[in-house]
Formats: sequence, C-alpha cells, structure tokens
Amino acid sequence: QKEVEQNSGPLSVPEGAIASLNCTYSDRGSQSFFWYRQYSGKSPELIMSIYSNGDKEDGRFTAQLNKASQYVSLLIRDSQPSDSATYLCAGGEYGNKLVFGAGTILRVKS
Amino acid sequence: GAGVSQTPSNKVTEKGKYVELRCDPISGHTALYWYRQSLGQGPEFLIYFQGTGAADDSGLPNDRFFAVRPEGSVSTLKIQRTERGDSAVYLCASNARRGANTGELFFGEGSRLTVL
Repeated sequence: QKEVEQNSGPLSVPEGAIASLNCTYSDRGSQSFFWYRQYSGKSPELIMSIYSNGDKEDGRFTAQLNKASQYVSLLIRDSQPSDSATYLCAGGEYGNKLVFGAGTILRVKS
Repeated sequence: GAGVSQTPSNKVTEKGKYVELRCDPISGHTALYWYRQSLGQGPEFLIYFQGTGAADDSGLPNDRFFAVRPEGSVSTLKIQRTERGDSAVYLCASNARRGANTGELFFGEGSRLTVL
C-alpha cells in the first residue's frame, strides 16, 4: 500500500511568519513529488513540484526533498492570510498516478 | 476550453440509481485522470487514461464503477447501483505529457455526488 502521510493540522501561524509543512511517503519507487493547494470548496492547484534531492525555490515557496528519509516539506515565507488553505502533498512514479496525502490545514492569522 | 470542465457540478440521487459524470479536459491534453475526494481526505485515484485507453484502472473500487474516453478527449465516469458510500466529490484532471511531470495535473472544479 503506497501511502503519503501528513499532519492534518490545523497549523496556525501569524502573518509574516514562515509556515513549515511536512510529508512522508512509503513508496521508495516514487520519483516525483508535488504540493497542491486547495481552498475550501475548490479544486487542488499545483504550487510546487520537486524531483531531485535538495531544495527548490519559487517566490515565497521552497520545497525540500530527502529521498533517503522519504521526506518532503514545503516552506512558505512571509505567510499571508490568502495562504490559508489545505496543502496536499502527493508523490508518484514517472508515467503513473499520484498518491495524495490527506492534507494539512494552514491558517494564517492577521 | 481554458480549463478542465466537469458536469454536473452537483448531483443528488437515490440509492440504487445510475449516475454519469462528465469531464472535458484541456484541449490537447492526452492524459486524463479521475480522482474521488471525501471530506477531510486527499484525492483518491480511480482511473487514468492515456488517449482513448485506460492505462491504469486499479483505483476503481468495484465493478459498479466504469469510465470511458471513446475519442481521446471527453471522458464519462459511470456509477451503477449507487450506494451512500459513493457520496464524494469526483475530480477530473488532465495533463499534456507522458513520463516525467505527469503529476502536474490541472483539476476541474469537481462533481459533488450525494447519494441519499
């Protein structure tokens, strides 16, 4: 059973702080990892993808991947109230389906 | 169209009825996925099409669920003899690429199915 585990939260951070979201996965065959953001009542939208060990930065977002530890994280710098959403971690093998975690609820307080 | 379109957005049906959910992917996208999302859970994979053929249907929960994509574009998810446990949001997603980056999915707004 391929699993992706996330803390359900909610994770509450003050506006302007760094939000740190974490995810572990069980399938060592997974090569690609993704963070999707889902606002309440809306569909998931991709915000970050990462394929290699290390860090990948895009604006206020940094994704980190450690394949040896089977660990993926997402850092959101200068958190804004508009970042309040559920963040879904997903992993998969090339050319195959994604397995999603249950998501972490993030609340940014102004 | 500009995005993935799903119809109906909401469907309420009675236990035992037949339901069809439609997905129109982004033009030119060859890969199409169906996921199901229950409250408080992440999307759960159902089936994946590459072109007209189902490349992976391992997520379909039982033989009451069936999906087609006859012309490699629009797809229909069909659920027979619906049960209350089928109530969920059914998400469709599409992607243009094979191999790497197939996780960069573009989701529709979903079809919320309620079985009474």
